[in-house]
Amino acid sequence: AAGVIQSPRHLIKEKRETATLKCYPIPRHDTVYWYQQGPGQDPQFLISFYEKMQSDKGSIPDRFSAQQFSDYHSELNMSSLELGDSALYFCASSLGQGRVGNNSPLHFGNGTRLTVT
Amino acid sequence: AQKITQTQPGMFVQEKEAVTLDCTYDTSDPSYGLFWYKQPSSGEMIFLIYQGSYDQQNATEGRYSLNFQKARKSANLVISASQLGDSAMYFCAMRTTGNQFYFGTGTSLTVIP
Repeated sequence: AAGVIQSPRHLIKEKRETATLKCYPIPRHDTVYWYQQGPGQDPQFLISFYEKMQSDKGSIPDRFSAQQFSDYHSELNMSSLELGDSALYFCASSLGQGRVGNNSPLHFGNGTRLTVT
Repeated sequence: AQKITQTQPGMFVQEKEAVTLDCTYDTSDPSYGLFWYKQPSSGEMIFLIYQGSYDQQNATEGRYSLNFQKARKSANLVISASQLGDSAMYFCAMRTTGNQFYFGTGTSLTVIP
């Protein structure tokens, strides 16, 4: 079965550079989430999209932005990178926002490991 | 406020024995879902098991079962017959009607041969 695809798997950037992470959700999934996971931390919610519209915003810095395109793929754009942005960035997709009794889990991609030097 | 609590930062279990990973949650939503994820050292997040707030029976998936005690707001994961490959971080998560997923801080499980 198709899974969530993220690219690139690894990314090394220098401080103050920009980075773009891409995510291709599972076909027919209507909701995409972005999470940031620092070393030894739990995933921190950044932002989500439902049917290509931003639906929820978490602890996403103003230096970051994201969007979901007409083909449902999503991109996380990160500017003015800081050392503290080094983390594993997950994209996840799910089905059926807001349905009562929704049992659709988040399906995660393999993540992009960003290292800022 | 929605919250997931995992009080065991690290757990050890002998191979072939059972282990219980604790998870408590807090929500005022009448409808919610509880999930467990496994994250091995390679980093990927693997969905293990789901329990709905209205489910009458505890969920089971192979060697995984979820001990759901609604009145206590707990959703503990039980892994039976532990294997070396079970060594990983385990995250409990909750989904509410607002579609947000909330994660606990995780429990690191080490299976000892």
